[in-house]
Amino acid sequence: GESVGLHLPTLSVQEGDNSIINCAYSNSASDYFIWYKQESGKGPQFIIDIRSNMDKRQGQRVTVLLNKTVKHLSLQIAATQPGDSAVYFCAENGGDYKLSFGAGTTVTVRA
Amino acid sequence: KAGVTQTPRYLIKTRGQQVTLSCSPISGHRSVSWYQQTPGQGLQFLFEYFSETQRNKGNFPGRFSGRQFSNSRSEMNVSTLELGDSALYLCASTVQGTNEQFFGPGTRLTVL
Repeated sequence: GESVGLHLPTLSVQEGDNSIINCAYSNSASDYFIWYKQESGKGPQFIIDIRSNMDKRQGQRVTVLLNKTVKHLSLQIAATQPGDSAVYFCAENGGDYKLSFGAGTTVTVRA
Repeated sequence: KAGVTQTPRYLIKTRGQQVTLSCSPISGHRSVSWYQQTPGQGLQFLFEYFSETQRNKGNFPGRFSGRQFSNSRSEMNVSTLELGDSALYLCASTVQGTNEQFFGPGTRLTVL
């Protein structure tokens, strides 16, 4: 599940600013984490993943940070654009052929 | 390469009926997972299949079942539908040898 105080269900960000979305995961044995983006009426879209032997991974305009000590995951989006408006989910894989998802954060980009 | 396809995209049923949803994974992907998405419960794991075998099942009643065919296509069935079964049902296929799951657009089921 997600820890109250770390996870914000909504995030409003000015276009061009950086966004940071947080997620707390529950299973210390999880070895793989994914961030998904879900737009209205669509299925979740893979953004970026990270394995537990890493603490940072960068993609195009996105960076995922993993802190295993406090079981915390974050997604940073650089220069947020209107097309980034969506619900963002973190997911963890505990090695049992399934993903466990967080509650999601709705990101709204202000023009 | 075509993505995960799900049919039908929208479905309306009444309580007590049953429904079958279909999923075709990305070509070459042999693992298929199903999830239920509702506003209240979020994304919840239903089951996962690999080579026609169910490897894991979530905490759903026995009314929810699934199967996978030799071509990796999968179906899920819900019998004796209840109002609470109204949801977006998502299918995901997994890149061979990894944990990367790619989702289809989902089937929106409405139970009246």
